[in-house]
Amino acid sequence: DTAVSQTPKYLVTQMGNDKSIKCEQNLGHDTMYWYKQDSKKFLKIMFSYNNKELIINETVPNRFSPKSPDKAHLNLHINSLELGDSAVYFCASSPQRKGELFFGEGSRLTVL
Amino acid sequence: GNSVTQMEGPVTLSEEAFLTINCTYTATGYPSLFWYVQYPGEGLQLLLKATKADDKGSNKGFEATYRKETTSFHLEKGSVQVSDSAVYFCALSEGGSNYKLTFGKGTLLTVNP
Repeated sequence: DTAVSQTPKYLVTQMGNDKSIKCEQNLGHDTMYWYKQDSKKFLKIMFSYNNKELIINETVPNRFSPKSPDKAHLNLHINSLELGDSAVYFCASSPQRKGELFFGEGSRLTVL
Repeated sequence: GNSVTQMEGPVTLSEEAFLTINCTYTATGYPSLFWYVQYPGEGLQLLLKATKADDKGSNKGFEATYRKETTSFHLEKGSVQVSDSAVYFCALSEGGSNYKLTFGKGTLLTVNP
């Protein structure tokens, strides 16, 4: 049973489109994250939610909007996709804002 | 702010060679330190961690010691295997309301038979 699952795993779309990536964790963790991994493998945090409340919002364009309907889910919606949005997006969770992060397998977004 | 600096890759070794991947950090408080591994096409997995100075984390033959005096957390393995080929990330965290992991840039390791 996958602990942190993301869908879809692969997403290919045209510039200007809107797309969403969904994430669910069954670990009972309070905190969830979105990280972006670029083509050079560099990982950068985008957002963090704790019990459905946004607690970290790094410098990310307004086109990116996270949404947490409950503490087990954290979705990422991206409007007006640009070429530079092509990356692998990782969802992660952690218990009570401490300890290790548990990562999903990633969602590879390609914008053409 | 917090930052992590890892040795640049890629690193290519022969099977059974000794591995060291250097990691140094900058932090305002007393962070916890982590090594994560990413196998091709997969997400990140925790390899080992240390939560205070002089702690040694170890797992699967890998070790790293939290050195506060040199602000380092170097990853070592005495004898690498082909299956160790992956990208390795050093990371740090500080607790509090804005808990997150700050990652280094990753080091690609390739082990040849």
